[in-house]
Amino acid sequence: DAEITQSPRHKITETGRQVTLACHQTWNHNNMFWYRQDLGHGLRLIHYSYGVQDTNKGEVSDGYSVSRSNTEDLPLTLESAASSQTSVYFCASRESSGNTIYFGEGSWLTVV
Amino acid sequence: GIQVEQSPPDLILQEGANSTLRCNFSDSVNNLQWFHQNPWGQLINLFYIPSGTKQNGRLSATTVATERYSLLYISSSQTTDSGVYFCAVNDYKLSFGAGTTVTVRA
Repeated sequence: DAEITQSPRHKITETGRQVTLACHQTWNHNNMFWYRQDLGHGLRLIHYSYGVQDTNKGEVSDGYSVSRSNTEDLPLTLESAASSQTSVYFCASRESSGNTIYFGEGSWLTVV
Repeated sequence: GIQVEQSPPDLILQEGANSTLRCNFSDSVNNLQWFHQNPWGQLINLFYIPSGTKQNGRLSATTVATERYSLLYISSSQTTDSGVYFCAVNDYKLSFGAGTTVTVRA
């Protein structure tokens, strides 16, 4: 079955370190998204991509970057992790003409 | 961007009870989805419902796009219905409400 997977599922890192969260989907969806979820804020969009070599900033993009070198993957990089980036991160994908968005299982990141 | 407000923020139900969750949005939308986040954090699509009414088992949803709201109905609630219910609307992306936390007690 097609799916969307995230790794690592749990990570503890130190302030100032670079961290990359991987997202891989096998649906061949063009649209991919990264969200973070924090108590009281619901899910907030970090970055999104509509296809290979396309990336766009969302509402909370500071301190994060993404790259899209192929259809299947959209890695999220924290250039210099900060304690404020402790959160649960969700990757999602959707067909270009589709309506339904599908989420990965989440990555729990703790910055100490 | 579009503002999405959900109510109530918290809901405690006795097993077997019915309930209604509400989602208000600030502008016209062409895509509205309801999600359930289970206690393990997994986000599950419930409905894609930009307008009209849909039903799936004990869950149903109605969106009145002209009045900018959507309702999610849970009938005969079960403990497995516990979790957070999110409404999300989109233009080019999904904007989420803060969610309604539902606790169903046996």
